[in-house]
Amino acid sequence: DAGITQSPRHKVTETGTPVTLRCHQTENHRYMYWYRQDPGHGLRLIHYSYGVKDTDKGEVSDGYSVSRSKTEDFLLTLESATSSQTSVYFCAISSTSGRAGDNEQFFGPGTRLTVL
Amino acid sequence: GIQVEQSPPDLILQEGANSTLRCNFSDSVNNLQWFHQNPWGQLINLFYIPSGTKQNGRLSATTVATERYSLLYISSSQTTDSGVYFCAAETDSWGKLQFGAGTQVVVTP
Repeated sequence: DAGITQSPRHKVTETGTPVTLRCHQTENHRYMYWYRQDPGHGLRLIHYSYGVKDTDKGEVSDGYSVSRSKTEDFLLTLESATSSQTSVYFCAISSTSGRAGDNEQFFGPGTRLTVL
Repeated sequence: GIQVEQSPPDLILQEGANSTLRCNFSDSVNNLQWFHQNPWGQLINLFYIPSGTKQNGRLSATTVATERYSLLYISSSQTTDSGVYFCAAETDSWGKLQFGAGTQVVVTP
């Protein structure tokens, strides 16, 4: 158990509303990631963080922003939700040093988001 | 960017059967992870394997980095092995993962 929780676990919202998903870890890991999972695509990286206030974009970052003001929390915000953002969102942490090839990732339980 | 392809996309097994899942990647990678997503959606780490062979119970994995593929072996399959198996390639020093589309495995009693 990598000590990762996500909240909420399920959310239904309407197009155009802002949504924030929270990822919380208890083990002081430096690296954190947000992915989305859609049928036929596996998981795709949205944003990642390599420290407090240090974040960068992933493969599918359009329409999303992130913040990390504390080591333990990584927030994903949809500024104005659209139906194409209906998905399952997973947070992950990297358990190790950040050196190349030394970054095994562990995943949280996921958040199912539906945008009507 | 790197492409990760998994085969077969679907697999139906009778309980007790053995199977091999394949993961091909289009470029060199720092590392390779295998995950099992159970029917409740949870992603479970199976192997973190840049090269060579590792075993964990009835599961084993082999990565041949020079030939850009990895194999996951399931022996004596059980119904609890059902779910989707993903491989993911670690592409840079930030640990970013590129996932394959997965292999859906159904084990029937």
